[in-house]
Amino acid sequence: DIQMTQSPSSLSASVGDRVTITCRASQGNRNDLGWYQQKPGKAPKRLIYATFNLQSGVPSRFSGSVSGTEFTLTISSLQPEDCGTYYCLLYNDYPRTFGQGTKVEIK
Amino acid sequence: VQLVESGGGFVKPRGSLRLSCAASGLTFTNAWMSWVRQAPGKGLEWVGQIKSKTDGETTDYAAPVKDRFTISRDDSRKILYLEMNSLRADDTAVYYCTTLYGGPGDDYWGQGTLVTVSS
Repeated sequence: DIQMTQSPSSLSASVGDRVTITCRASQGNRNDLGWYQQKPGKAPKRLIYATFNLQSGVPSRFSGSVSGTEFTLTISSLQPEDCGTYYCLLYNDYPRTFGQGTKVEIK
Repeated sequence: VQLVESGGGFVKPRGSLRLSCAASGLTFTNAWMSWVRQAPGKGLEWVGQIKSKTDGETTDYAAPVKDRFTISRDDSRKILYLEMNSLRADDTAVYYCTTLYGGPGDDYWGQGTLVTVSS
């Protein structure tokens, strides 16, 4: 099974800061990844699909990239409404594997 | 589109429970459907998936639930099921049904239903 290692587990940043969250896959060279945001008590919401593609309706400050087996979610300018927990999800293998989550807080 | 889970509640260890997920506004027949769970204060965990009938209606499961949980679907009623047997305390979680779609278009999640396994 492919393992996903997500980091950091939490971060605190100021409004306007650039924030990056990474997920490293243990193997594979054609991995297909999504990013989700979850607010407390709510279902997750997809932000990015197929590694790079912005979900319709999601602000353009969110972007996805990859270098080898390291996937990155970038928030170019953190906004107050971006607080929550972010998860990566690897789609192209079974079992589907979520990252451990990154809790984003606003300073 | 709405996905509405039901059937959660309290159950004793080694007990059984069946969750349902009623879909509306979705071309359910074509959808591959998944269950994802979240233990209290923990991260998301994929439970399993069922493909559409045209894709063989095959199922895949996460290792911790394999041989204890069964996913099925009733396309005529647009309902997804999760049959859970031999429940353990570590199965306590909110269970979400979701399309968990990896491609373009929309990805849908229910509101979740809480399962508590405790004596």
